[in-house]
Amino acid sequence: QKEVEQNSGPLSVPEGAIASLNCTYSDRGSQSFFWYRQYSGKSPELIMFIYSNGDKEDGRFTAQLNKASQYVSLLIRDSQPSDSATYLCAVNLETNAGKSTFGDGTTLTVKP
Amino acid sequence: DAGVTQSPTHLIKTRGQQVTLRCSPKSGHDTVSWYQQALGQGPQFIFQYYEEEERQRGNFPDRFSGHQFPNYSSELNVNALLLGDSALYLCASSLPSAGSYGYTFGSGTRLTVV
Repeated sequence: QKEVEQNSGPLSVPEGAIASLNCTYSDRGSQSFFWYRQYSGKSPELIMFIYSNGDKEDGRFTAQLNKASQYVSLLIRDSQPSDSATYLCAVNLETNAGKSTFGDGTTLTVKP
Repeated sequence: DAGVTQSPTHLIKTRGQQVTLRCSPKSGHDTVSWYQQALGQGPQFIFQYYEEEERQRGNFPDRFSGHQFPNYSSELNVNALLLGDSALYLCASSLPSAGSYGYTFGSGTRLTVV
């Protein structure tokens, strides 16, 4: 079992729709959670981080964390073609605050 | 505010050779982590440097080594290159306690081993 798992996709949504990206992790000691966006041929860019159970909103993005179920999700509202990218979920253990373990990413395509 | 800079951007090496990749962290950051990203996969943690010492290491062989300088910049060295070392090498900077706040990544070095 991989430490951080994501559906590889591709996930395709129409412009204006809500895109839902999911991530599960195996270590219950995980304390901080991140979503990165990576455009093709580029490096990852941090979108959001979340530590506590519940929702965290930033503009069109909402991160949701459920530690009991060991999953974290990212919702993108009013999806735009410019949101088309690979979204990477990353997890930090409490005792290894500096190291992030990444999933393999979900590729999102937003169709005009 | 300068972001993370990496050099070179692309590199082609022959199997068995050695390579050195360089990284300057974002202004105000003093921790540098190195990741290897193969095509279609997520970044894999190589190691992290803080206060000029290797603080954590991932599951990479000793052929992978690094260094951090007093100005926080860092180098990644790979010896005895294998074809499987071909990948995008990413440098990520952060504050030491703020692994919890995420990384700032450089643009990466694309290494091709032939």
